[in-house]
Amino acid sequence: DVQLVESGGDLVQPGRSLRLSCATSGFTFRDYGLTWVRQAPGKGLDWVAFIRSKTYGGAAEYAAAVRGRFFISRDDSGSIAYLQMNSLKIDDTGVYYCGRGLTVPGAKYWFDSWGQGTLVTVSS
Amino acid sequence: DIQMTQSPSTLSAYVGERVTITCRASQSISSWLAWYQQKPGKAPKLLISQASNLENGVPSRFSGSGSGTEFTLTISSLQPDDFATYYCQHYNNFPLTFGGGTKVEI
Repeated sequence: DVQLVESGGDLVQPGRSLRLSCATSGFTFRDYGLTWVRQAPGKGLDWVAFIRSKTYGGAAEYAAAVRGRFFISRDDSGSIAYLQMNSLKIDDTGVYYCGRGLTVPGAKYWFDSWGQGTLVTVSS
Repeated sequence: DIQMTQSPSTLSAYVGERVTITCRASQSISSWLAWYQQKPGKAPKLLISQASNLENGVPSRFSGSGSGTEFTLTISSLQPDDFATYYCQHYNNFPLTFGGGTKVEI
């Protein structure tokens, strides 16, 4: 079975950093793009970042709200994706989900499997 | 950036009723649209991709239609397990965006 398990969420002060992990199993990790999506308390889904598979260059994409502060990466040997979050703001508070990307070859991505999420709380 | 607008934001319906949710894109996205279901405290679940392709294991009472800028998700006969929040998401290009969600209530 495809599994994604997020970890690393915590209570942190504004301006600090945090790294989230997404450990995966049940599929060939290197063949898939991975995304991070967040959900503020009581709010809707908010796309954060995406990283392509090495087959499609491994490039990353970011939402404007996090560009320059957040960095997505992948470890294909360990089947893990990461989200490095720097200069955290109160508005970054929420549950962070990682998702596996399906693609029309290399160009369009949607997400068929998700982890259970990890809670990030940014507060002084 | 492409904006996705869902309507209604909340929908009250009875078991057995036919339900339709609308999603509008601020510019054409061809058929690059997915629908997700989310229950409280749970991850999103993919229902439909490419506007009308039902995912394996998703009941056939769910269907999607549309192209360009206007899309619909229809539940032909609402079941107790379907009470949840539904989101559309375009994947025409980056940045990806979700609609604001439609909460389906009893």
